[in-house]
Parts: sequence; structure tokens; C-alpha cells
Amino acid sequence: NAGVTQTPKFQVLKTGQSMTLQCAQDMNHEYMSWYRQDPGMGLRLIHYSVGAGITDQGEVPNGYNVSRSTTEDFPLRLLSAAPSQTSVYFCASSLQGTGANVLTFGAGSRLTVL
Amino acid sequence: AQSVTQPDIHITVSEGASLELRCNYSYGATPYLFWYVQSPGQGLQLLLKYFSGDTLVQGIKGFEAEFKRSQSSFNLRKPSVHWSDAAEYFCAVGGMDSNYQLIWGAGTKLIIKP
Repeated sequence: NAGVTQTPKFQVLKTGQSMTLQCAQDMNHEYMSWYRQDPGMGLRLIHYSVGAGITDQGEVPNGYNVSRSTTEDFPLRLLSAAPSQTSVYFCASSLQGTGANVLTFGAGSRLTVL
Repeated sequence: AQSVTQPDIHITVSEGASLELRCNYSYGATPYLFWYVQSPGQGLQLLLKYFSGDTLVQGIKGFEAEFKRSQSSFNLRKPSVHWSDAAEYFCAVGGMDSNYQLIWGAGTKLIIKP
């Protein structure tokens, strides 16, 4: 039972490069989300999805794209990386998308943009 | 405005001593309250949650939290900390009407003195 799997764990990019952070879950969860974690700021929601084909913006969506073609996968795309996107990124999922559901988190992806 | 405040950025406690981490929230509807723990280099894991009923809730690893509606607080406690409790602790609030978003505190880093 893998839970939520994120790849890569570490990535260094140059300004302007693009990349995709992968997230996969094997729990048949409807809800998936991406957060970024910055020191002293807690977790901020980037994008989320309540099911295949359905995505929506969170608190800090600018500079990021997502898609949800399957229940299992929810990749996060950085189209043109900026130093402000240096952060630790977490993918999280839950059975349903209400604020009452417990989130299962991946181990995180640390991104550095030079 | 909806918010979660964790007043202490860092707390240092001696091994074997008791612990209390503070969490205050502002939320317009019935709150669903969570404490998550993040060990170094790891994702977040649920410690405990409060939805309704008994205001003193028990969690994993010997932690408990008490919901006090009159004080808008949900403080986390442990009678005797172990070195393995060194981690960052996050309080979050959500609800059935929260539009899929949890509101997160900035976190409290717990340091254990030997």
C-alpha cells in the first residue's frame, strides 16, 4: 500500500525552465491537491481536484498548471520557473473533498530555482 | 476572516517534560479541527482530529487535544515527551462548507532537550 507517491524528491531548475512534479495515489481517493510549504507560512494550497477531469485553483495558483486525467494521477506543471517558486511541494489526497476529510500526504518534493 | 494562529514558532522542552502547543482559530461555521505532525524530511501525518462530541480527543503517539469553543482554541498536549517527538506541528481548521480548503497555521517546531 504505497499511499501518495511524489517524484522527484529533489530538483534544481534554472529560471525559465519548465518541469512537472508527479503525484500518484493508490487509495481511490476522489480529492487530490498540491500545496507549497515555505518557512513561517504553513501550507498554501496551489490547485486541487475533486475527481477526474475536474480541477480548480487554490490560494496561490499563478505559475502552475494541473490536470487530472485519471483518478490516480495529479501532476503539477511549472511552465516557466521563477526563483519565487523555490519551495517544498506536497501532494495530498483524501476520500472526498470536504474540509472534514483527513488528508494523506506524500513525502514532498524540494524544488530550487536558480 | 478565517484564520489559524499558532503563537509559538519554536518550543524547547526537556525529554520527559509535559508539552502544550497552542492553536487558536477564527472560523465562521462549525469547525472541524486537526493537528498534523511533520517529522524532518517527511510529509505530514494526522495526529488527531475533532469533529463533534467529547471535546477532549485522543490521538496517536500519546497526544491529546482539547476543543474549547468559548476560547476558539484547540491546544495539543502530551504528558511526557520523547526525543522522537521532535518535529513540526501544524493546526488546521475546515468544515463541511469550506469549499475543500483547510486553513493552516504556520506551524510550531518542537525541539527536545536531552
